[in-house]
Amino acid sequence: QSALTQPASVSGSPGQSITISCTGTSSDVGGYNYVAWYQHHPGKAPKIMIFDVNKRPSGVSNRFSGSKSGNTASLTISGLQAEDEADYFCCSYAGSRSFVVFGGGTELTVL
Amino acid sequence: QVQLQESGPGLVKPSQTLSLTCTVSGGSIGSGRYYWSWIRQPAGKGLEWIGRISTSGSTNYNPSLQSRVTISVDTPKNQFSLKLSSVTAADTAVYFCARADTVLPDYWGQGTLVTVSS
Repeated sequence: QSALTQPASVSGSPGQSITISCTGTSSDVGGYNYVAWYQHHPGKAPKIMIFDVNKRPSGVSNRFSGSKSGNTASLTISGLQAEDEADYFCCSYAGSRSFVVFGGGTELTVL
Repeated sequence: QVQLQESGPGLVKPSQTLSLTCTVSGGSIGSGRYYWSWIRQPAGKGLEWIGRISTSGSTNYNPSLQSRVTISVDTPKNQFSLKLSSVTAADTAVYFCARADTVLPDYWGQGTLVTVSS
């Protein structure tokens, strides 16, 4: 069982927006502004899409955005495209003992 | 662009030591503020952070694995390594290496499957 809770799957049609949630506790997501989101196509290297809750690395489409409220972080993808179909997982800093915790991953299907 | 590539045996016998190496290209492992991390994912389960090492050699480990884990860095070879001792079937997983800028991973390798079986 993963430390952070994500829905197992979400789906949307091209052009629509979807949001993936990532729920933790005050010891991780709620306690620090260190949340990242990754896109993962199985067999390939995960790609960082969001860091520090809501910052986009250079080269990542502005269709991807992140936010946080309390112990829950969210990834929103707007204007869904077929190429967005992948697994997405979240990651949070969890203090100087546990350091880093992950969500279980969410499979995004573009219908 | 930084790239990371894991390498090592794909099959390890129970009670033995799992050893993996991560080769970094596109940048020097000895420069900058980065941490070099290992993460794993058992089949059908979520990701688990194993630990990290700084360019100066200081390490931090997951408390649940700390007694069995050693992470080291070889700056001249631009590599860092993972050793996990006394493995069991529960250690079967895809193992990823990653760079962390400040706290969380940014660049990852594609992962390598390690199976623990006799």
